[in-house]
Amino acid sequence: DTAVSQTPKYLVTQMGNDKSIKCEQNLGHDTMYWYKQDSKKFLKIMFSYNNKELIINETVPNRFSPKSPDKAHLNLHINSLELGDSAVYFCASTTDRGNTEAFFGQGTRLTVV
Amino acid sequence: GQQLNQSPQSMFIQEGEDVSMNCTSSSIFNTWLWYKQDPGEGPVLLIALYKAGELTSNGRLTAQFGITRKDSFLNISASIPSDVGIYFCAGLLFGNEKLTFGTGTRLTIIP
Repeated sequence: DTAVSQTPKYLVTQMGNDKSIKCEQNLGHDTMYWYKQDSKKFLKIMFSYNNKELIINETVPNRFSPKSPDKAHLNLHINSLELGDSAVYFCASTTDRGNTEAFFGQGTRLTVV
Repeated sequence: GQQLNQSPQSMFIQEGEDVSMNCTSSSIFNTWLWYKQDPGEGPVLLIALYKAGELTSNGRLTAQFGITRKDSFLNISASIPSDVGIYFCAGLLFGNEKLTFGTGTRLTIIP
């Protein structure tokens, strides 16, 4: 049973398109995150939700919109994709907002052409 | 913002060698974590450190929380092929709910 699962694993799309990445965790955790890993492998947090409430919103273009229908799911929708959006996007979860031990999904490799 | 610098950026070692890497920050942290990322996978937590000076082991891995709270070290003894991957440190400051990740150390084992 995969603890944090993301779909799709790979996504290739053209500039200007709109796409979504989905994430689900079956750990019973309250807090979920989206991270972006660039080509140099640098990991940076984008968003965090705690019990469906947005608690961290880093400096991310407003073309990126997270949505949490319930505490087990956190989806990421990206409008008007640009070449610079190409990266690996990781979903993660922790038991609660104060906990440090994050469990990561396998990542979604997004390639914008 | 805060930045965590890891050293070395990459390492090429032979199987059986010991490995040392470190992570330094311009700011103090209350918690230090070490993660490993295998190719095509997400990072997996190896060791968590919660107190300045703390030394914690997980099998062949040993990590230390620096006494100044601005650094942390990870050692791997008697490396094996499955140790290959990218090792990330991460820090957390109380009251700031987001992890700051280091720049990563890529470990390669030469046959």
